[in-house]
Amino acid sequence: EAQVTQNPRYLITVTGKKLTVTCSQNMNHEYMSWYRQDPGLGLRQIYYSMNVEVTDKGDVPEGYKVSRKEKRNFPLILESPSPNQTSLYFCASSQSTDTQYFGPGTRLTVL
Amino acid sequence: QKEVEQDPGPLSVPEGAIVSLNCTYSNSAFQYFMWYRQYSRKGPELLMYTYSSGNKEDGRFTAQVDKSSKYISLFIRDSQPSDSATYLCAMEEGGSEKLVFGKGTKLTGNP
Repeated sequence: EAQVTQNPRYLITVTGKKLTVTCSQNMNHEYMSWYRQDPGLGLRQIYYSMNVEVTDKGDVPEGYKVSRKEKRNFPLILESPSPNQTSLYFCASSQSTDTQYFGPGTRLTVL
Repeated sequence: QKEVEQDPGPLSVPEGAIVSLNCTYSNSAFQYFMWYRQYSRKGPELLMYTYSSGNKEDGRFTAQVDKSSKYISLFIRDSQPSDSATYLCAMEEGGSEKLVFGKGTKLTGNP
């Protein structure tokens, strides 16, 4: 089954404690991206990657890092999380940027 | 003016009715237009995809794009309880590697 998986699905952490949200896709897609979704602000792109070792900033990259060492995986790293990063995070992948397939989401709470 | 405007609703729709959802945009370079459906606690899923102006029909769903008015619509015929979700419009210039999303319209079935 074609899918985008994210882990963990729910996470509560404290300010400053480094965390990683994993994202994996089994469709051999070249393009992957991370979004955050907040009430009243909609979906905003954090980072995207056009292929292995190629990443670039989206609209709201501050406080986040990403890496793309393998085609299937695109982890999101928060090195020092802060409460304003409390949000719902989605990973997405596609073969072309205009039709992205989203993962189930990770709900992050930073205390 | 925001790049993509979408009325957040909520929109209450009786079963069997026709639903009209709309987005306006300001960037005349947008060429690809999408509608995503997002159920509660799930990731967005691609519903309709249209390139440039015109209509596209898929079952009960019809997407319309009017580039001259910078206006896109999604029509849902014979509304069902399973249509209760948030509908997000999204647009892309083509070659820009970046989707711009509306904030979403919440649709609620009214039996």
